[in-house]
Amino acid sequence: SQQGEEDPQALSIQEGENATMNCSYKTSINNLQWYRQNSGRGLVHLILIRSNEREKHSGRLRVTLDTSKKSSSLLITASRAADTASYFCATDEDNTDKLIFGTGTRLQVFP
Amino acid sequence: GAGVSQSPSNKVTEKGKDVELRCDPISGHTALYWYRQSLGQGLEFLIYFQGNSAPDKSGLPSDRFSAERTGGSVSTLTIQRTQQEDSAVYLCASSPQGIPNTGELFFGEGSRLTVL
Repeated sequence: SQQGEEDPQALSIQEGENATMNCSYKTSINNLQWYRQNSGRGLVHLILIRSNEREKHSGRLRVTLDTSKKSSSLLITASRAADTASYFCATDEDNTDKLIFGTGTRLQVFP
Repeated sequence: GAGVSQSPSNKVTEKGKDVELRCDPISGHTALYWYRQSLGQGLEFLIYFQGNSAPDKSGLPSDRFSAERTGGSVSTLTIQRTQQEDSAVYLCASSPQGIPNTGELFFGEGSRLTVL
């Protein structure tokens, strides 16, 4: 089952621009996470935001969470070509140990 | 090793054959997860383990799929009588305790399965 739906499905920007990706989910959660996947590789954890938090920062990453709307956004500021990857949100479904991933956003950053 | 290790990294098999995919989690991680990712798609949850037990097997696509974990460490995902639609990358991940406690999953590089 897909808990998270992300949009856009694909995003192309120039280096230096900001990239914003959105994620919506369906059930109550303990936390929401964002992961990055380079082509043909495994996923790497970027940031986790708990259900009682509204915003979190890590370097050039900013994540917001709106539990009333069941949505989150990931902002990458001052993007670099090396940020080119797929980005996935993930939530613990119905407060279980089951982590469900969204459909992903493919980000292409042109130098 | 330092990270999650999966083997084989690539497997090509003929339709109808059985395959076994192996996952070595990070030492001491009690939770272990299997996901399937078809080309260009998101991750499909298959199964997870807490220790050696699997509280939720609901993601396994059919009874041709099974998984086990022994000694709270290595896990094997077995696909019997493989079909072409089983072709995908199978990703394993581990976590120190479990989602509500720690959240972060550490992923292996995946096993790419191609069924001819």
